[in-house]
Amino acid sequence: DAGITQSPRYKITETGRQVTLMCHQTWSHSYMFWYRQDLGHGLRLIYYSAAADITDKGEVPDGYVVSRSKTENFPLTLESATRSQTSVYFCASRRGVKETQYFGPGTRLLVL
Amino acid sequence: AQKITQTQPGMFVQEKEAVTLDCTYDTSDPSYGLFWYKQPSSGEMIFLIYQGSYDQQNATEGRYSLNFQKARKSANLVISASQLGDSAMYFCAMRGAGSTDSWGKLQFGAGTQVVVTP
Repeated sequence: DAGITQSPRYKITETGRQVTLMCHQTWSHSYMFWYRQDLGHGLRLIYYSAAADITDKGEVPDGYVVSRSKTENFPLTLESATRSQTSVYFCASRRGVKETQYFGPGTRLLVL
Repeated sequence: AQKITQTQPGMFVQEKEAVTLDCTYDTSDPSYGLFWYKQPSSGEMIFLIYQGSYDQQNATEGRYSLNFQKARKSANLVISASQLGDSAMYFCAMRGAGSTDSWGKLQFGAGTQVVVTP
């Protein structure tokens, strides 16, 4: 049971570059989420998806783009990375009657 | 708008003692869910316990219990018999429901850092 995987786990990039963070889940859950975690802010929702080809913005979507052509994949793209996007990014999917979200291991992104 | 507040930025607890982590919330939804997650120093987010707004009993999962006081809008996590491995950041989160949030999005508190000492 692989659950949710994220790749890469660590990424260093430069300002202005495009970066894509991958998220893959093996449970076939409909709902998937992207969060970023910063000191002092806890976790904040970037984008979410209810199914393939259905996505919507969260609390902090600016500078990010998502797509979901397949249920199991939910990539997050930083179109032109900025230093303020240095963060830890978590992907999650939701399952069960309690609608519990289960998280991937996270991607640590450093933008220089 | 929903809001989650964790007022304790950090706390020390001695091994084998119980510890209570505070969480208050604000929502206008009659139906909602409350979650606690643990984040150890390795960074992963681990689901601990869930309480539904209509649940009559306080949730329990092993050494974790949730002290749910609906009228006061609080959902405190109690960890009994603390262990060194309980040292971590703990997050309270809320999921709305119904017309205001059919997506089941989570809103998180800022977290409480717990350090268990021998």
